[in-house]
Amino acid sequence: DIQMTQSPSSLSASVGDRVTITCQASQDISNYLNWYQQKPGKAPKLLIYDASNLETGVPSRFSGSGSGTDFTFTISSLQPEDIATYYCQQYDNLSALTFGGGTKVEIK
Amino acid sequence: EVQLVESGGGLVQPGRSLRLSCAASGFTFDDYAMHWVRQAPGKGLEWVSGISWNSGSIGYADSVKGRFTISRDNAKNSLYLQMNSLRAEDTALYYCAKDLGAAPAGYFQHWGQGTLVTVSS
Repeated sequence: DIQMTQSPSSLSASVGDRVTITCQASQDISNYLNWYQQKPGKAPKLLIYDASNLETGVPSRFSGSGSGTDFTFTISSLQPEDIATYYCQQYDNLSALTFGGGTKVEIK
Repeated sequence: EVQLVESGGGLVQPGRSLRLSCAASGFTFDDYAMHWVRQAPGKGLEWVSGISWNSGSIGYADSVKGRFTISRDNAKNSLYLQMNSLRAEDTALYYCAKDLGAAPAGYFQHWGQGTLVTVSS
């Protein structure tokens, strides 16, 4: 199975800060990568698909980039409502879809 | 508005069975692939199984292969997960998720609120 290594596992930043999360695949997955946001007690929400495409209705402060094995998720200006855990997920192998371990984002 | 409502969770003893259901509304159910994704308490997300619009393409995580069976009834707009030989490590919140298209492409575009399965003696 393709392993997804996400870092950091947690971070604390101030409102307005730029936040960056990375996700590394154990093999080349082209751009077959999605990013999700999960707020406490809620179901996950798709934010970014195909590595860099913003899902409809998602604020433009969220962005994604990368291809192959290395991917980045960015919040350009952290807002209080962005407190959540963020997950990357690969879909290169449809018989073994896998998620990263998650990054918990908190406000400093 | 897309709505996915899971049901069927509960407390079950190890080795027993449970059947989860997901009732879908707000979209043309038989146009989309569907998935089950689970989350153990305090842990991350794990894909469990996916099924194409016509049940012609089905996949399972290695952790549940041979024990779980995914199915759907397009006439009833419903998705199911039959879980047999349950283990303590199957304890999790089970989410139903809708894909972007008819084939299981691996996009979890919409999610239900989940149903909790607890496996314990």
